[in-house]
Amino acid sequence: DSGVTQTPKHLITATGQRVTLRCSPRSGDLSVYWYQQSLDQGLQFLIQYYNGEERAKGNILERFSAQQFPDLHSELNLSSLELGDSALYFCASSGVIAGGSEQFFGPGTRLTVL
Amino acid sequence: SQKIEQNSEALNIQEGKTATLTCNYTNYSPAYLQWYRQDPGRGPVFLLLIRENEKEKRKERLKVTFDTTLKQSLFHITASQPADSATYLCALNTGGFKTIFGAGTRLFVKA
Repeated sequence: DSGVTQTPKHLITATGQRVTLRCSPRSGDLSVYWYQQSLDQGLQFLIQYYNGEERAKGNILERFSAQQFPDLHSELNLSSLELGDSALYFCASSGVIAGGSEQFFGPGTRLTVL
Repeated sequence: SQKIEQNSEALNIQEGKTATLTCNYTNYSPAYLQWYRQDPGRGPVFLLLIRENEKEKRKERLKVTFDTTLKQSLFHITASQPADSATYLCALNTGGFKTIFGAGTRLFVKA
């Protein structure tokens, strides 16, 4: 158990809908990362927050947005969903702002868009 | 363009042998390189981190090498066991905020 929690575990929705994925980092970790993993793409970095502020952006679509709240939990919002958004979404946390340390991954949310 | 390459083909080895996985990169100057293990449907788990000024790192049966001239890292599992069967991901960080992951190599260890 990494100490990172994600909810929900599974999510099934229809095209055009909007969903929110939630992540609670390990106790004391200030950095939260979001990743998308689909079968043909591998683990793709989406966005990173540190102590409530956005610090880095990857290939995140404009339909996707995220935020980190004062209690350090984070939410990833996915809107106008398309079939291609079906994937595993992972949240990870670390204790430092930059990349020089290990990341602790949550169990993931499996999103299925029908 | 920047690229991280790991063997897309699965690696099959016999129990007790040493597994060697390769991570090659282009157009990066990574400050850190990490290896993670991922089991199907689960989140990656950190294994080892090596810095650009380190040549080799060991942890129990695991060994990582980092050659910044060849732009390559090798990941070794000695005395491999069926429980080592998983996908192994290489990840690079250039010292900034972004960590980029390779697609991973699947390892199967046969008893």
